[in-house]
Parts: sequence; C-alpha cells; structure tokens
Amino acid sequence: EVQLVESGGGLVQPGGSLRLSCAASGFTFNNYEMNWVRQAPGKGLEWVSYISASGSTIYYADSVRGRFTVSRDNARNSLFLQMNSLRAEDTAIYYCVRDQYYGSGIFNQWGQGTLVAVSS
Amino acid sequence: EIVLTQSPATLSLSPGERATLSCRASQSVSSNLAWYQQKPGQAPRLLIYDTSNRATGIPARFSGSGSGTDFTLTISSLEPEDFAVYYCQQRSAWPRTFGPGTKVDIK
Repeated sequence: EVQLVESGGGLVQPGGSLRLSCAASGFTFNNYEMNWVRQAPGKGLEWVSYISASGSTIYYADSVRGRFTVSRDNARNSLFLQMNSLRAEDTAIYYCVRDQYYGSGIFNQWGQGTLVAVSS
Repeated sequence: EIVLTQSPATLSLSPGERATLSCRASQSVSSNLAWYQQKPGQAPRLLIYDTSNRATGIPARFSGSGSGTDFTLTISSLEPEDFAVYYCQQRSAWPRTFGPGTKVDIK
C-alpha cells in the first residue's frame, strides 16, 4: 500500500523558517516525480513545487520561488520542503503528492497533510 | 498561467439525482485535465485523469468529457458519499493549476 506521511508543520512567526518532510513507502520512491500542494484554511488547492525522480528538475509556483526549496533523498525515501521567509499567506495544509507516472502531472497519491501556521 | 474556472460554485442536489460540473480553461489544455474529490478533513482523491479516464477504484457513475477549454464531470446518480468538493486541474503547462472548486451539497 502506498503511504505518504508528512511531518514538520507547526506554528512559526512571520519571517521564520520550517522544514517539512514526507516519508514515502509502498512503492519505488526513486521512480516517481513528487510535488507539494497546499490548501489555505477554507480555500482551494494550490500547487507549490515539483521535483523529478532524480532531483535534477525542479519547478516552483511564483508565490514561493526564492523562499522555498524542494529536495529529496531517494536512499531514505523522503521528500522535503525547506520554507524560509514565511508569510501569513503561507498558512495552509501542505500535502505531499506523487505523480501517477513519469512527468504526468496527474496527482494520484496524496498524504494526509501537515498544517503550517504563520502568525505572530 | 492557465486559469481554470468552475461552475457552479455550489450545486444543491438530492441523492439519486444527476450532477453536472463544469470546468473551463483560459487556453487549451488539450485533454490534459483531471478531477479530484475532497471531503471535509480529508486529502483530495483523484477521480478522473486525461478528461475521461477513471482512476483506480472509482465507480462508473463518475464520468468526464470535453476537450480544449471546456470540460464536464458528470455523476450519473448521486450517492450519499458523493457530497463533497470537486476540483479540476490541468497538467498541460507549468505551473500546474487547479480550479476553485464546486461544492456538491445535499438539497
């Protein structure tokens, strides 16, 4: 069974930093592209970042480019999101999401999410 | 950026009725459109990909159609567990974008 388990969320002050992790199991992690998708409280879904299976190709949403860094450790079956210079508008549930197949952009596996709250 | 709009924002129907949800793209996404279902307190779930392909385990009452800029998700006969929010999403271009969602609630 595919499992994606996020961790690392919490309350942080504006301007602060947080590092999210996603532990993957039940599939060959290094064969799949991964994404982060977020959802502000009571709002819709926003794609945040993508990383290819090897980690060589990375994309970001304009809203986080320059502040967030995605990475992965295939030996540890883990995905990460380093979030710096956090703003109130970054408050959201952050989901770790797997592509259905290479380059598909079809989000067929989702974690349960981790909540990030940015507030003073 | 490709902007997706969904209509209606809310659809109030009774169990057993047919639901028709619309998604419109600001430019052509070919057939590269997916639909997700989200229930309160849960992560989204993939329903339909590439316009009309049901994801694994999705019942046949869910179907998708369309191409280019106009797409439809149809639920042929609503079951109690279908009352939820539905999002469309395009994979034709970066950034990946989602529509704002349609809430299907019980009339």
